[in-house]
Amino acid sequence: AQSVTQLDSHVSVSEGTPVLLRCNYSSSYSPSLFWYVQHPNKGLQLLLKYTSAATLVKGINGFEAEFKKSETSFHLTKPSAHMSDAAEYFCVGGGSNYKLTFGKGTLLTVNP
Amino acid sequence: GAGVSQTPSNKVTEKGKYVELRCDPISGHTALYWYRQSLGQGPEFLIYFQGTGAADDSGLPNDRFFAVRPEGSVSTLKIQRTERGDSAVYLCASSSYLGETQYFGPGTRLLVL
Repeated sequence: AQSVTQLDSHVSVSEGTPVLLRCNYSSSYSPSLFWYVQHPNKGLQLLLKYTSAATLVKGINGFEAEFKKSETSFHLTKPSAHMSDAAEYFCVGGGSNYKLTFGKGTLLTVNP
Repeated sequence: GAGVSQTPSNKVTEKGKYVELRCDPISGHTALYWYRQSLGQGPEFLIYFQGTGAADDSGLPNDRFFAVRPEGSVSTLKIQRTERGDSAVYLCASSSYLGETQYFGPGTRLLVL
């Protein structure tokens, strides 16, 4: 079975500085991996997805993630944080059984 | 276009009562999924439908939980004899077909007193 582990429950950055949200995955087969964002009182929104076509995946709002098989990682990055990026971020695994497996989430705080 | 909608947005009930939570998927989406998100946790899979049939209900915690999708569009999640531990946000998602990107609704926040 696939599982994902988000290494930080809370990340705090200053506006304009880089963002790094870490995720490791565990899978016995080639995974599908996603990052979703959840703003307060809003639905989950897909940021980006990896499906083996390319290891560097670009998403919306300037986010990107790199799939590293040797490290079993799929970290989310953004060069420069904006106040509107403050939200909860979920690393998510998908498999052939169509169920999504969510990490516990990382709360991103952006300080002015 | 319209996204996934869920009603009610909030539901407060008493222990032992019956509740129904409704999900309207994106028009034309054949696959529909239910997840439950407890406080401080990521969503957990409950059940998914392809068309009218429940293709996988292995995530339903016990037989008090049941979901239907009689016409292959709207789905209702039904919880009998609610318990305080059922308090959570119930999320619905839909996708064009099984395995395609899942789009989530805003959720129904259920509080069992």
